[in-house]
Amino acid sequence: GAVVSQHPSWVICKSGTSVKIECRSLDFQATTMFWYRQFPKQSLMLMATSNEGSKATYEQGVEKDKFLINHASLTLSTLTVTSAHPEDSSFYICSASGTSGRAGEQYFGPGTRLTVT
Amino acid sequence: ILNVEQSPQSLHVQEGDSTNFTCSFPSSNFYALHWYRWETAKSPEALFVMTLNGDEKKKGRISATLNTKEGYSYLYIKGSQPEDSATYLCAPRHTDKLIFGTGTRLQVFP
Repeated sequence: GAVVSQHPSWVICKSGTSVKIECRSLDFQATTMFWYRQFPKQSLMLMATSNEGSKATYEQGVEKDKFLINHASLTLSTLTVTSAHPEDSSFYICSASGTSGRAGEQYFGPGTRLTVT
Repeated sequence: ILNVEQSPQSLHVQEGDSTNFTCSFPSSNFYALHWYRWETAKSPEALFVMTLNGDEKKKGRISATLNTKEGYSYLYIKGSQPEDSATYLCAPRHTDKLIFGTGTRLQVFP
């Protein structure tokens, strides 16, 4: 139980284009989803927290107009990187918590490697 | 900004060796401590959630202890196997946010 999928697993896009990443909870309802970013040799850094049906809460320093998060259902959240630039190249990973597992536990997807050329 | 430190950064051991690594975190405003195992190209897998000072958790050959007063947790692997090779992440939780360390990368050689 508590499986989270993420799509795509990797993507290459041109500078100036937008990229959408999907995060799905496959066997439980995710009332809260989290989006993280990881730069090389650094830790997972929380970007934003989203609750189903509500606007996402962004961490300090994360541009909400650049990283659009939608959590329209209890099984799907999307992260759209708008007008991507090379400095947005990173590893993006989502997690979900909700009706499965231990209270407060977050279950992670496998991540998406984004390369902006 | 919370500072979470994990040591060592990497570790190479022979199959059968036992090993341990450390997670240090601020002891103030502590809520819970999570350990994850992250194999390459897979999702981080939840290992333990620990909340109380003195907590000890065990899952097979892996165990963990928690000291919330001094702000550290140890993860132990007894009789390491090649399949234990992964990055082990710790993350103290503050409200509903996990603050991750950079992890300890373990490689177990047959």
